[in-house]
Amino acid sequence: EVQLLESGGGLVEPGGSLRLSCVASGFTFSSYAMNWVRQAPGKGLEWVSDISGDGDSTYYADSVKGRFTISRDNSKNTMYLQINSLRAEDTAVYYCAKSDRFGISSAGTKFDSWGQGTLVTVSS
Amino acid sequence: DIQMTQSPSSLSASVGDRVIITCRASLSISRYLNWYQQKPGKAPKLLIYAASTLQSGVPLRFSGSGSGTDFTLTISSLQPEDFATYYCQQSYSMHPPTFGGGTKVEIK
Repeated sequence: EVQLLESGGGLVEPGGSLRLSCVASGFTFSSYAMNWVRQAPGKGLEWVSDISGDGDSTYYADSVKGRFTISRDNSKNTMYLQINSLRAEDTAVYYCAKSDRFGISSAGTKFDSWGQGTLVTVSS
Repeated sequence: DIQMTQSPSSLSASVGDRVIITCRASLSISRYLNWYQQKPGKAPKLLIYAASTLQSGVPLRFSGSGSGTDFTLTISSLQPEDFATYYCQQSYSMHPPTFGGGTKVEIK
């Protein structure tokens, strides 16, 4: 059974930083691209970033480009999201989601497993 | 970016009702359309991919159809466990993969 467990969220002041983690189990982690998707309180889903199975390719939403960095350590079955220069509008539950393939640019990709999410609150 | 518009944004229905949710893309996305279900306080769950293919384990009362710009999610006979918010997501252009605004299905 696929399991994804996020951690690292919390309350941070504007301009601050956090590192989110997503630990995966139940599948061959290095064979699949991974994603971060966020959801602001009471709002819809917003894709944030993705990373290929080998970590060589990454993409970011325009709203986070230059402030967020996605990475993965396949030896630890873990994906990370370093989030810097936090703004109030970054307040959200951050979900990690597994893609159904290795690469990150293929049409037809689906997010077939999701973690339970970790809440990031940006407030002074 | 491809814009995804869902309608209605919310609906009230009774157990046993047939429910139809629509999703429109701002340009043709062929059949690259996924549907997710999200219950309150829970993570989204993949229901349907490629417009009409049921994810393993999803009940047969769920079905999807459409191509190009217009898509529908149908629940043939609403069950108590189906009260949730449903999101469409285009996978034609993966950067970024955009979601619809969601449709909340509530109990009448």
